[in-house]
Amino acid sequence: GAVVSQHPSWVICKSGTSVKIECRSLDFQATTMFWYRQFPKQSLMLMATSNEGSKATYEQGVEKDKFLINHASLTLSTLTVTSAHPEDSSFYICSASSSGRGTYEQYFGPGTRLTVT
Amino acid sequence: KQEVTQIPAALSVPEGENLVLNCSFTDSAIYNLQWFRQDPGKGLTSLLLIQSSQREQTSGRLNASLDKSSGRSTLYIAASQPGDSATYLCAVFMDSNYQLIWGAGTKLIIKP
Repeated sequence: GAVVSQHPSWVICKSGTSVKIECRSLDFQATTMFWYRQFPKQSLMLMATSNEGSKATYEQGVEKDKFLINHASLTLSTLTVTSAHPEDSSFYICSASSSGRGTYEQYFGPGTRLTVT
Repeated sequence: KQEVTQIPAALSVPEGENLVLNCSFTDSAIYNLQWFRQDPGKGLTSLLLIQSSQREQTSGRLNASLDKSSGRSTLYIAASQPGDSATYLCAVFMDSNYQLIWGAGTKLIIKP
């Protein structure tokens, strides 16, 4: 159990366009979802935390108007990168946790490779 | 502020050797600690999760220990295989802010 999927697994977009990444918890209800980005050869950096039905909480330095996060249901969160620039190219990973499990364990999606040309 | 350090940053050993990866953290008030594996260009695979009240967890050839008071965890890999080659990440969960704090990882190469 505790499977998280992401779609797409990779995407190439042109500068100035927007791209949406989906994160789904397949077999449990995710009360909280997290979005991370990872640059090559670096560790994960938390971008934002979202609770179902609430606005996301963004980490310092992350532009909320550029990285739009929606967590409209207990199984789906989306990250939209607006007006993408080449420096937004990165590996984006989501994770999900359920307050009902009582362990705070996060279950990670397989990641989405975004390349902005 | 919690900081997580992993040593070494990279490790290359011959197949069959037993090895130890280290993780240290500055704030002992953690809720749990997890070890993950990441293959190049891929997502994360959770290996072991140790609750703050536990001393160790085992899964197959992997054994993770936790000494919360000294701020240390080790991941022991027995009889290493080329398929174990990956980056291993350590992360601690802080229930003060519900966040995972990550180490930079150890890149492990097992030579056939």
